[in-house]
Amino acid sequence: DGGITQSPKYLFRKEGQNVTLSCEQNLNHDAMYWYRQDPGQGLRLIYYSQIVNDFQKGDIAEGYSVSREKKESFPLTVTSAQKNPTAFYLCASRSYGNTIYFGEGSWLTVV
Amino acid sequence: AQSVTQLGSHVSVSEGALVLLRCNYSSSVPPYLFWYVQYPNQGLQLLLKYTTGATLVKGINGFEAEFKKSETSFHLTKPSAHMSDAAEYFCAVSDRSGSQGNLIFGKGTKLSVKP
Repeated sequence: DGGITQSPKYLFRKEGQNVTLSCEQNLNHDAMYWYRQDPGQGLRLIYYSQIVNDFQKGDIAEGYSVSREKKESFPLTVTSAQKNPTAFYLCASRSYGNTIYFGEGSWLTVV
Repeated sequence: AQSVTQLGSHVSVSEGALVLLRCNYSSSVPPYLFWYVQYPNQGLQLLLKYTTGATLVKGINGFEAEFKKSETSFHLTKPSAHMSDAAEYFCAVSDRSGSQGNLIFGKGTKLSVKP
């Protein structure tokens, strides 16, 4: 089945650690996105990529990094510089009809 | 700059009653408009979208929304609520130019359905 796969579903980070969330899509979409979701705040854009080897900061990029070496993959690294990383993270990709489709999300918790 | 306002962070209806979730947007250009639904611990699922053409848009699960340019609104409705409709609903707007296609989301409305 075509879709967006995020892993892991649950991840725990210790203070000072970097962690990486995986996002893979087999929809052949060029554009991919990472959003952060906090209760009562909706979704906020972290990074997006329109094409391989190119990406731009979104509204809340500080403390995060991404790479886009392959069309199918857009991993997100939450660095130790992100002071409040506990949240639900959603990866998405955009179809040629300008519709954005989402993965199932990953929970990150600081312990 | 584009923005989305969803009126009411929580809406409660009885099973079988009308569902009305309100969304107003601000955009300097004609926008694309979307409604997504999110069940607990899951990603967002597209309910419906408006891009062009007919202003009344029908989506999945019996939902529909009407684009009203004069009111800058895109309210979501369903004639008869079902228990399975309990979820969080997000309205979103996208730049019609498509140069970025990024979505700006409202803060969401949590729908509860009482038996």
